[in-house]
Amino acid sequence: GENVEQHPSTLSVQEGDSAVIKCTYSDSASNYFPWYKQELGKRPQLIIDIRSNVGEKKDQRIAVTLNKTAKHFSLHITETQPEDSAVYFCAARNQAGTALIFGKGTTLSVSS
Amino acid sequence: DTGVSQDPRHKITKRGQNVTFRCDPISEHNRLYWYRQTLGQGPEFLTYFQNEAQLEKSRLLSDRFSAERPKGSFSTLEIQRTEQGDSAMYLCAGGLAGVNTGELFFGEGSRLTVL
Repeated sequence: GENVEQHPSTLSVQEGDSAVIKCTYSDSASNYFPWYKQELGKRPQLIIDIRSNVGEKKDQRIAVTLNKTAKHFSLHITETQPEDSAVYFCAARNQAGTALIFGKGTTLSVSS
Repeated sequence: DTGVSQDPRHKITKRGQNVTFRCDPISEHNRLYWYRQTLGQGPEFLTYFQNEAQLEKSRLLSDRFSAERPKGSFSTLEIQRTEQGDSAMYLCAGGLAGVNTGELFFGEGSRLTVL
C-alpha cells in the first residue's frame, strides 16, 4: 500500500521568511497530492492540491511542486505570517476512489 | 464550515465499554471516510463508503470496529470492548466520487478517551 513520509516534523521561521515542507510517496500509481492545514483544535482543511499531470501549482503565497520521477512533492510558503503557524499534512492517493494516505505532519511556527 | 457534523464531540468511557460515533455529511457527499488521529500524528485511514457500500477497510480496523452507512447518508462507527489504545480523535470526512475530485471535507471530530 501507499506510504507517505514527511519532513521536517517541526519548522520554525521568522515572519517574512519562506518555508518548505517535503514529502515522498511510495506508490508510483499515485496521482493526487493534496496539502492540508490543521490549526490547534480544528479540523484539517485543504489549502492546495496537485495532480500528476502538472509539475507545479501556485495560489498566492503557497505553491506545490511535484517530481513524479523521484516520487516527491513539496509545499512552499513565501512571506510567512504568524497566522501560517499550524500543522501541515501532505497526502497521496493512488487512484480515484481509494483513501488519502497522510504524512505525519509538520508543525510550522512563524515568529514575529 | 464544511457541513460535516459529528456526534458526540467528546466521549469518555471505561475500558471494555462500547461506544458509537455518528457522522452526518452533506447530501452531495457520496463518499464518506473515517480516519483516526492521535496526538502528533497525521490522520490514519480506517474505512470508507461510497453511498451505502463499504469499499475499503484498513488493517487498522480490527474486528472490534464496525462501520455502517445504511442509507448512504449518515454513518456510524462503533468500537466494541474499548481499550486504552483506542483513545484518539475520530474524524469523519465527506467527499465526491470521480477522477477529478479529491478534496475531503472533514468534520470537527469525536474525541474518545478510554480510562
